[in-house]
Amino acid sequence: GAVVSQHPSWVICKSGTSVKIECRSLDFQATTMFWYRQFPKQSLMLMATSNEGSKATYEQGVEKDKFLINHASLTLSTLTVTSAHPEDSSFYICSARGGQGPYEQYFGPGTRLTVT
Amino acid sequence: AQSVAQPEDQVNVAEGNPLTVKCTYSVSGNPYLFWYVQYPNRGLQFLLKYITGDNLVKGSYGFEAEFNKSQTSFHLKKPSALVSDSALYFCAVRDDNYGQNFVFGPGTRLSVLP
Repeated sequence: GAVVSQHPSWVICKSGTSVKIECRSLDFQATTMFWYRQFPKQSLMLMATSNEGSKATYEQGVEKDKFLINHASLTLSTLTVTSAHPEDSSFYICSARGGQGPYEQYFGPGTRLTVT
Repeated sequence: AQSVAQPEDQVNVAEGNPLTVKCTYSVSGNPYLFWYVQYPNRGLQFLLKYITGDNLVKGSYGFEAEFNKSQTSFHLKKPSALVSDSALYFCAVRDDNYGQNFVFGPGTRLSVLP
């Protein structure tokens, strides 16, 4: 089956620094990638949707200047949390879809970010 | 707007007994329905989906789900639960009238007791 990887799997950073999370589709071309945020014991909340070569579409309430998303190729999307604060600590999950139609999305294993 | 409800935060079942995790949905167009499972500190694993056709869908690890259009439900079932089934389960819906985004339910934590 299709595999999506994320790196790093966990990261601790100091408040005010920036952190980059990579999401890769390993064996398929992802025309669309999604970034989700999950708080403890809560569901996934969609942050943004990105199509290769285009600017990401952010959900309402998500700061685009704080959460920079780049989808430069059909196999790689990155999420950069800029000037991180403790409230940005969360579990970030990326997802990728290739092709058209009602296909299931393939999810990465997630990245746990802790901002101290 | 599309939405998904999972009315139970927690489901407890004894090992070997049948399990059901409930899901109801609301969409304006045709629903595409999915179940995912999440283990601690892990991403989501796909279990099964309903797109069209037979209302009873069989998926991974012995799970199945039944699409009921009149009740707008898509309950997840397994005839005999295993302790290893203990995890967080998410129901999700896509409505292509609103593009291609998933909407996830709040999740149901399943505990299978030995």
